[in-house]
Amino acid sequence: EEQLVQSGGGLAQPGGSLRLPCAASGFTVSSYDFHWVRQSPGKGLEWLCAIGVAGETYYPGSVKGRFTISRQNARNSLYLDIDDLRVEDTATYYCTREFCGGRGCPGWNYMEVWGKGTTVTVSS
Amino acid sequence: QSVLTQPPSVSGAPGQTVTISCTGSSSNIGASYDVNWYQHLPGTAPKLLIYRNYYRPSGVPDRFSGSKSGTSASLAITGLQAEDEGDYYCQSFDTSLGTALFGGGTRLTVL
Repeated sequence: EEQLVQSGGGLAQPGGSLRLPCAASGFTVSSYDFHWVRQSPGKGLEWLCAIGVAGETYYPGSVKGRFTISRQNARNSLYLDIDDLRVEDTATYYCTREFCGGRGCPGWNYMEVWGKGTTVTVSS
Repeated sequence: QSVLTQPPSVSGAPGQTVTISCTGSSSNIGASYDVNWYQHLPGTAPKLLIYRNYYRPSGVPDRFSGSKSGTSASLAITGLQAEDEGDYYCQSFDTSLGTALFGGGTRLTVL
């Protein structure tokens, strides 16, 4: 079964940094594009970033410069690094795999596999 | 304010039909980008419900259907069941922003 297994999260200090891992099971991360999505308390889903098979990355203006998505093929894992943590980063974070429509996974597609989520609380 | 606009809430009695709209613009839905729909039930991860505007993944009941026209898309749920209660999100891509994006979400209440 193809799965994304999330870990990390927990309580973090404002101004600090955090790395959220997402390990793939049943497939290889090098063959797909991935996204991170979060849900803050009482709010809707927010798209955070994406990484393509060639390593290209995409961010909305709201997180650019503080959030970094990366992939380690040797560990078959995806990561989200968050710097300068803010109280408003308190949320449940989900990693998700995008459907790959062919060689190089061209274009933007739907998010077909989701991790169960990991909760981050930013508080002093 | 989300770039993709959804009604905050909809409701219906068991067995009824509800429709959730998702309104975008010429830089996303209107630019021929596909719309995908996700179901997010309490305490679970979001689940793909409709992809590429109207396709259902294996295992999704045919009570769920999607459509798209112009700069808008819709999700219809027929034969409402109590287990359908939760949040529903549309998702697409925006050529001006160069990013993926979600609608603000719609809370479905089964009365």
